Amino acid sequence: DTAVSQTPKYLVTQMGNDKSIKCEQNLGHDTMYWYKQDSKKFLKIMFSYNNKELIINETVPNRFSPKSPDKAHLNLHINSLELGDSAVYFCASSPGTGLETQYFGPGTRLLVL
Amino acid sequence: GENVEQHPSTLSVQEGDSAVIKCTYSDSASNYFPWYKQELGKGPQLIIDIRSNVGEKKDQRIAVTLNKTAKHFSLHITETQPEDSAVYFCAASPLRGGYNKLIFGAGTRLAVHP
Repeated sequence: DTAVSQTPKYLVTQMGNDKSIKCEQNLGHDTMYWYKQDSKKFLKIMFSYNNKELIINETVPNRFSPKSPDKAHLNLHINSLELGDSAVYFCASSPGTGLETQYFGPGTRLLVL
Repeated sequence: GENVEQHPSTLSVQEGDSAVIKCTYSDSASNYFPWYKQELGKGPQLIIDIRSNVGEKKDQRIAVTLNKTAKHFSLHITETQPEDSAVYFCAASPLRGGYNKLIFGAGTRLAVHP
């Protein structure tokens, strides 16, 4: 059973398009995250939700909008895609908001042409 | 500010040798220091972590040390094996607004040669 799953695994699209990435966790965790990993492997947090409430919102363009319909799901919608949005996007989850292990999904590889 | 520096960026060792990766963090409010291993095409996976009230922790061939005064922490892998080849990330977690978030280092690509 996959603990943290993401769809799609690969996403190739044109500049200016709008796309969504979905994430689901079956671990019963209260907190979920979105990270961006660029071409140099640098991993940076974008957003975090705890019990469907936004708790971390880093300096991310407002073209990126996360949505958490319930504790087990955290989706990422991206408007007006730009070349610089090309990256691997990882979803993660943790039991709470403290000093706990974060469990990462397999990643969504986004390529904007 | 929040910054984690990680060295070296690449590390090549012979099977059976030891590997050491070092990190330095800037935020003195950091109180949790996990290490993640990322294999090709996969998400990062926790391999070991240490909290600020502990100086050293060991789990079989992996050990982590923490020097809070110097804001340094290190990962030690002994008796390396080819399957240890991966990208390793250190992270520091400062407590902000009641929540911990992870600030990652830039990663170390470890290659273990048979």
